[in-house]
Amino acid sequence: GNSVTQMEGPVTLSEEAFLTINCTYTATGYPSLFWYVQYPGEGLQLLLKATKADDKGSNKGFEATYRKETTSFHLEKGSVQVSDSAVYFCALSGASNTGNQFYFGTGTSLTVIP
Amino acid sequence: EAGVAQSPRYKIIEKRQSVAFWCNPISGHATLYWYQQILGQGPKLLIQFQNNGVVDDSQLPKDRFSAERLKGVDSTLKIQPAKLEDSAVYLCASSLRPGGFYNEQFFGPGTRLTVL
Repeated sequence: GNSVTQMEGPVTLSEEAFLTINCTYTATGYPSLFWYVQYPGEGLQLLLKATKADDKGSNKGFEATYRKETTSFHLEKGSVQVSDSAVYFCALSGASNTGNQFYFGTGTSLTVIP
Repeated sequence: EAGVAQSPRYKIIEKRQSVAFWCNPISGHATLYWYQQILGQGPKLLIQFQNNGVVDDSQLPKDRFSAERLKGVDSTLKIQPAKLEDSAVYLCASSLRPGGFYNEQFFGPGTRLTVL
């Protein structure tokens, strides 16, 4: 079946530190991969996506590369800001018995301190 | 472009009462999803509609939860009767169509339900 596993939080970093949030997946076929972000009090927003192997999604300084050989889609940012404090969800869109379905990880809470 | 609208934003009820949530997806989006997000967990799909037909409701507790999408636009999710473990944020999302590249989902702000 399809599933997503992401590193547990919470993660606390100082401003300008390097960020990595690990995400690995299990899927049948060729899923699309996504990172969503949830800022305090708001709904989920798409951060970036990749639809095939070796694709790199990027947005707002965040990057993630679709690695089929390691079934991973790790999120990275070179220099985090206080405004990046949020919960980050890795997700995949893959085949299920009833057609395509979204599968979310459990989320990783990030707090960036000045 | 208007986003996904949900109401109410917050609801507090006692167990065994009933509650309903409303969602208006982005105009033109054929696919609509309802998710349950329990504190500290990722969203769990409850039901997926394609236009006004149900595509997947395998994780919907049908003894107490129901959902409909009349006319293929707005949708309502109902819980009757509510249990303590139903306390969660209920998220509505929509996408242009299911599958592949176009399966990017747009989420509403959610309804936070507290069952006492």
